[in-house]
Amino acid sequence: QAVVTQEPSLTVSPGGTVTLTCGSSTGAVTSGHYPYWFQQKPGQAPRTLIYDTSNKPSWTPARFSGSLLGGKAALTLSGAQPEDEAEYYCLLSYSGPWVFGGGTKLTVL
Amino acid sequence: EVQLVESGGGLVQPGGSLRLSCAASGFTFSSYWMTWVRQAPGKGLEWVANIKEDGTDKHYADFVKGRFTISRDNAKNSLYLQMNSLRADDTAVYYCTRPKSDYWGQGTLVTVSS
Repeated sequence: QAVVTQEPSLTVSPGGTVTLTCGSSTGAVTSGHYPYWFQQKPGQAPRTLIYDTSNKPSWTPARFSGSLLGGKAALTLSGAQPEDEAEYYCLLSYSGPWVFGGGTKLTVL
Repeated sequence: EVQLVESGGGLVQPGGSLRLSCAASGFTFSSYWMTWVRQAPGKGLEWVANIKEDGTDKHYADFVKGRFTISRDNAKNSLYLQMNSLRADDTAVYYCTRPKSDYWGQGTLVTVSS
């Protein structure tokens, strides 16, 4: 089974920009992995931020965007807000099985 | 309003079985692939299994193959996870989800312990 890697932790200043990445042990991440990004706050169920690389459910704030960058999936937060402090998980599809990354704890400070 | 409501969790001994259910409402359940995701206490998310709209295609994580079975009853708008040969490391909150639509249940806790 593939391994999906994320930065364990990142810090961003309020109003700042940060990019979280999601890599695959099998090689470059492509649109064929249908990358997802999820946000989870303590004690809450996850919420879907991004699906299929860059698409957003209706609730996702405009300051979040998804892309492919340097062989990885990327989640960019532009104009960080205090309420964006959370754990962020990526998910990749491998033509059947899915695999989550280990998560990135994002601190807004 | 979309709702996914999981049930069936609880305390079970190692080697035992449980059947989780997820009752769906507010959307056309039979039109979507559905997914089970779990989260062990203090740990990250783990994908468990997917099932196609009509139940004819299923995929499982390696760590549950041969032990867990995903199924659905579209007439009852329900998703299931039959879990056999449970181990301590199966202890987790289990979520029913259609992630592309941001549909998530509140989760049901499964504790495997003697």
